[in-house]
Amino acid sequence: ETGVTQSPTHLIKTRGQQVTLRCSSQSGHNTVSWYQQALGQGPQFIFQYYREEENGRGNFPPRFSGLQFPNYSSELNVNALELDDSALYLCASSRRWGSPKDTEAFFGQGTRLTVV
Amino acid sequence: AQTVTQSQPEMSVQEAETVTLSCTYDTSESDYYLFWYKQPPSRQMILVIRQEAYKQQNATENRFSVNFQKAAKSFSLKISDSQLGDAAMYFCAYSHSNTGNQFYFGTGTSLTVIP
Repeated sequence: ETGVTQSPTHLIKTRGQQVTLRCSSQSGHNTVSWYQQALGQGPQFIFQYYREEENGRGNFPPRFSGLQFPNYSSELNVNALELDDSALYLCASSRRWGSPKDTEAFFGQGTRLTVV
Repeated sequence: AQTVTQSQPEMSVQEAETVTLSCTYDTSESDYYLFWYKQPPSRQMILVIRQEAYKQQNATENRFSVNFQKAAKSFSLKISDSQLGDAAMYFCAYSHSNTGNQFYFGTGTSLTVIP
């Protein structure tokens, strides 16, 4: 078990609604990354936050947005949900700088989002 | 753009035997990291092994080792003395050295361990 926790574990939403997913980072970590993992696929990078600023973004539309708080926890918000947004959403926390071992990413167990 | 390809959707191995999972990647960068992650049914991604591209020596972690061929852009994972607990999805991943764990993942290989 890592120190990264995600909530909720499962969620069902209706197309067009908005959703907020939460990630609590591991102690001592200042960076949180979010990934979308569709069924049968590898995770895809959504964006990363470092010290409350967005620090990189993958190929996702603006309706995917995020926040990072002073305690380095993070939220992923998705507006105007579409059926294709159904997926497992993973967050990973890490230290931004240091040796490869010091900057190892630790993943949470994910939030399974179903859009109907 | 960086791409990671895993051409083996499923693999199986007898307990105590050795299995090799394949991965190729494409990048124009020279300084990057490569990873193998394991995802059991609990869904939590667990780091198996990491390779820095500037290192010529192949990484090893106990029963896990890699064959890193930089010129061929190939990065395979060898699991020796396979155990039942090794059964999981395995993902190969790439990140540039200065992007701090912004991973590009392959599509995964499902490993079954036969008792």
